[in-house]
Amino acid sequence: AQTVTQSQPEMSVQEAETVTLSCTYDTSESDYYLFWYKQPPSRQMILVIRQEAYKQQNATENRFSVNFQKAAKSFSLKISDSQLGDAAMYFCAYRSAVSGSQGNLIFGKGTKLSVKP
Amino acid sequence: DAGITQSPRHKVTETGTPVTLRCHQTENHRYMYWYRQDPGHGLRLIHYSYGVKDTDKGEVSDGYSVSRSKTEDFLLTLESATSSQTSVYFCAISDLRRQPQHFGDGTRLSIL
Repeated sequence: AQTVTQSQPEMSVQEAETVTLSCTYDTSESDYYLFWYKQPPSRQMILVIRQEAYKQQNATENRFSVNFQKAAKSFSLKISDSQLGDAAMYFCAYRSAVSGSQGNLIFGKGTKLSVKP
Repeated sequence: DAGITQSPRHKVTETGTPVTLRCHQTENHRYMYWYRQDPGHGLRLIHYSYGVKDTDKGEVSDGYSVSRSKTEDFLLTLESATSSQTSVYFCAISDLRRQPQHFGDGTRLSIL
């Protein structure tokens, strides 16, 4: 079974600085997707960024980028120029792309990010 | 934003009572999922559906049942609620397994 581990329960960053959130996963599959979701206090689950395992290029969405290391099974999220609105719980998630899979997401336990003004 | 509505948004009920949560989508997506979110556990899959009348169990399905009689509605039922089912429940949808899932706003359920 696949597992996702986020080893940092809480992180803090100064406004305008850069922060990196860690995520590792375990799988025997070669075809899968990885995601970062943001959950602000409003409780919404907001997709931040996605990575397809067969793509070597790291995904980027504005101030958000990932460092995808497939051999190491690592998928970290870098937030540049941190803003107060980035304060939230961040979840790393895995989704199998194997035919016949359930297609559900497997989540890590989350990292709570605080942004200091 | 994806058209997903969960109802109710909040509910407080007593142990032993039946509870039904509703997820309604306007996207005509094939796949629908129910997750629960608990502190220290992230989100965990309860049940999912891959079409009308087609459902299957997830990781934490004990004590829950689901039904999907129409593409747009996915119901989650707690036949006899227990305090361990106090949680925040999220519905998610996607049109293809390879596409990102979009989430509803969640239902906070408290069982006293």
